[in-house]
Amino acid sequence: GENVEQHPSTLSVQEGDSAVIKCTYSDSASNYFPWYKQELGKRPQLIIDIRSNVGEKKDQRIAVTLNKTAKHFSLHITETQPEDSAVYFCAARGGYNKLIFGAGTRLAVHP
Amino acid sequence: SQTIHQWPATLVQPVGSPLSLECTVEGTSNPNLYWYRQAAGRGLQLLFYSVGIGQISSEVPQNLSASRPQDRQFILSSKKLLLSDSGFYLCAWEVGGGQPQHFGDGTRLSIL
Repeated sequence: GENVEQHPSTLSVQEGDSAVIKCTYSDSASNYFPWYKQELGKRPQLIIDIRSNVGEKKDQRIAVTLNKTAKHFSLHITETQPEDSAVYFCAARGGYNKLIFGAGTRLAVHP
Repeated sequence: SQTIHQWPATLVQPVGSPLSLECTVEGTSNPNLYWYRQAAGRGLQLLFYSVGIGQISSEVPQNLSASRPQDRQFILSSKKLLLSDSGFYLCAWEVGGGQPQHFGDGTRLSIL
């Protein structure tokens, strides 16, 4: 079935460093790839998304890249800040418009 | 603008009791609606989704059911709760046609 693998499961960086989270998907028909940030006890919030007709998208310190041939996409956070600490989920839209989520990455940014 | 309301925020229920969680969306028509469950420290498990009134698709056979009695109302129910039903339940909506999906604030359900 459809599957999204996300790595790493935990990531610890120093404030000001960059953080990269990678996801691979199995369904070659997937055409939409969102990233969500979930703070402790809160709902997941959409932070950036990319469609299959675009290779890269950037929003301030956050960027997402997509490699359709290799079926993987990545989230890049530059100049990390303590408030970036959260769990990040990638997802791919598969059949019937369902989002298939990765297992999540717990990012800790240390001052 | 569109908003999603989910209640209650927290719920403590005894094993064997019934459950009803409600989710409503404002500011849009005919949204796709979703119920997810998130166990502590884990990812998002899709439980049910609906693309229209009365249409429900179940992802995982379990002790829960869902209904969509109105266009913008999605209800998650159980006749008898199990300990394993504990978790963080999230409702989500999207306009459809590959548009972004947005989550409600969730209900934290504890079964005693």
